[in-house]
Amino acid sequence: NAGVTQTPEFQVLKTGQSMTLQCAQDMNHEYMSWYRQDPGMGLRLIHYSVGAGITDQGEVPNGYNVSRSTTEDFPLRLLSAAPSQTSVYFCASRPQALLQADTQYFGPGTRLTVL
Amino acid sequence: KQEVTQIPAALSVPEGENLVLNCSFTDSAIYNLQWFRQDPGKGLTSLLLIQSSQREQTSGRLNASLDKSSGRSTLYIAASQPGDSATYLCAAMDSNYQLIWGAGTKLIIKP
Repeated sequence: NAGVTQTPEFQVLKTGQSMTLQCAQDMNHEYMSWYRQDPGMGLRLIHYSVGAGITDQGEVPNGYNVSRSTTEDFPLRLLSAAPSQTSVYFCASRPQALLQADTQYFGPGTRLTVL
Repeated sequence: KQEVTQIPAALSVPEGENLVLNCSFTDSAIYNLQWFRQDPGKGLTSLLLIQSSQREQTSGRLNASLDKSSGRSTLYIAASQPGDSATYLCAAMDSNYQLIWGAGTKLIIKP
């Protein structure tokens, strides 16, 4: 199993550009999520999905869109990049959405800089 | 709103020492408390998960405890090694099954 994979590893954008961060998992996990990690702060939830075709907003959803057309893939779209979106983005998955015994598996992250 | 705090933000200890990392949370209505490790430039790796009905979990030299009544969890690392150097994050699963994260403790083990 490759686990959770993310591409690209690094990305530099100019203000106003759009892009898609890719995330895929090969563990048939029901739940997938996107976080951003900023210095001195805990991870903050952007969007999450409890299954194919179902997505919902997290704590900081503004400026981001997601879709979940398959169980495996959960791309994150930046609509019009802003310097405030400079961050490290992590995708995570876990087997079931509503099971308290399940831990989360993380991808290696995408380091995004918006100029 | 659940808030999770980790103090100190950084900790440096000599190799071989036993140490305790702290995690506090404001709302005791949690499903579980999880500890993760993050190496520089890498993703997060799960270390231990304590369900709300449990008091502690152990894995090798690591022991995590949970006291919901006081809103605290601790991660005990025995006989620390330079390879234990990393950032350790705790996260509480709230009533919506979402993880609320602390900012982490950066641990440096000096050889």
